[in-house]
Amino acid sequence: AQSVTQLGSHVSVSEGALVLLRCNYSSSVPPYLFWYVQYPNQGLQLLLKYTTGATLVKGINGFEAEFKKSETSFHLTKPSAHMSDAAEYFCAVSDLSNDYKLSFGAGTTVTVRA
Amino acid sequence: SQTIHQWPATLVQPVGSPLSLECTVEGTSNPNLYWYRQAAGRGLQLLFYSVGIGQISSEVPQNLSASRPQDRQFILSSKKLLLSDSGFYLCAWRFEGLTDTQYFGPGTRLTVL
Repeated sequence: AQSVTQLGSHVSVSEGALVLLRCNYSSSVPPYLFWYVQYPNQGLQLLLKYTTGATLVKGINGFEAEFKKSETSFHLTKPSAHMSDAAEYFCAVSDLSNDYKLSFGAGTTVTVRA
Repeated sequence: SQTIHQWPATLVQPVGSPLSLECTVEGTSNPNLYWYRQAAGRGLQLLFYSVGIGQISSEVPQNLSASRPQDRQFILSSKKLLLSDSGFYLCAWRFEGLTDTQYFGPGTRLTVL
């Protein structure tokens, strides 16, 4: 069975600073990896995903993530934080062993300081 | 394009009362459908999923049930709510036959008092 660990339940960054959210996964077969963002009292919006091919994936709102198989990681970055990036971020994994159902990490809440 | 709707958006119910939450998807046929619950301070827990009309798989035993009476309609129900049923309920869909992205609805905030 697959699982996801997000390091740090809360991250605080200054506006204009680098955003780095860490995600490590476990999967016995090639995984699909996702980052979703959730604003208060809203559903989840897909930021980006990795399925196959290029390991550096670019998403919406200037975010990108790199799949590193050797490190079983899929960290999310954004070079310059904006106030509108304040939200909760979820990393998720799916694979064939679980019929491609999503397993989510516990989430990381990002606050952006002016 | 595809759209997913959930209603109601917010619900406050007394303990022991019944529950019915509805999710509908527009713009696609025979989607895979999912119900998740997000409790305060916890991650997302998959409750049920469906690959077709009348086909329901339960992930977590509890006093909730799900039904899929029509191709693009997914209903979450309970006969008697518990305090622990409070949370944010999210419906999601995925294209039939594809194994990647799930798309989420706006959610229903349920408070059981």
